[in-house]
Amino acid sequence: AQKITQTQPGMFVQEKEAVTLDCTYDTSDQSYGLFWYKQPSSGEMIFLIYQGSYDEQNATEGRYSLNFQKARKSANLVISASQLGDSAMYFCAMREGTGRRALTFGSGTRLQVQP
Amino acid sequence: GAGVSQSPSNKVTEKGKDVELRCDPISGHTALYWYRQSLGQGLEFLIYFQGNSAPDKSGLPSDRFSAERTGGSVSTLTIQRTQQEDSAVYLCASSHTPDRGSTDTQYFGPGTRLTVL
Repeated sequence: AQKITQTQPGMFVQEKEAVTLDCTYDTSDQSYGLFWYKQPSSGEMIFLIYQGSYDEQNATEGRYSLNFQKARKSANLVISASQLGDSAMYFCAMREGTGRRALTFGSGTRLQVQP
Repeated sequence: GAGVSQSPSNKVTEKGKDVELRCDPISGHTALYWYRQSLGQGLEFLIYFQGNSAPDKSGLPSDRFSAERTGGSVSTLTIQRTQQEDSAVYLCASSHTPDRGSTDTQYFGPGTRLTVL
């Protein structure tokens, strides 16, 4: 079974508008962390935002916020006021509190911001 | 400060040859990870080093793959007798320490694009 599911292979958004990228996850651990990374065409994975399973508040980092719904096991990324430079692949990832320490990634969403 | 660096940025090799990929983590980071990104398989974990502990090799796809980390810093991923299916981008990441539960953030290098002809 997929541990991280990103159901949107591609998304379009107009410049200056907000966009939500979906991510659902599956784990039996109580302690886990959820991450979003951005991968522009240059290829480097850029860390955007982190949400811990015990965090009561949704994480925010500048124009990025994470809509964390624990009961639904979803961790959607919201980008406000999209910019042309936001065009990239976006990956949701999870690190479980026990077992393997590495990240498990979703398949990614390609976001294209249109002028 | 300097981020994670990887070399070479691109490597083209012939099927059956051995290749070595290098990763230099962020100074002071004790954990180092190798991942592989390919079109068909997405991002896959390969191997993880933490300090002086035995590495977690559970993600290595075959015994042709091996990695070492010398002096707790630089790491080398070696692929022996390369096959065409080994063509991918190999990404290295480091983090300060994973021992603080699930909070530790991994920072990635630019990757090495490996092409096996």
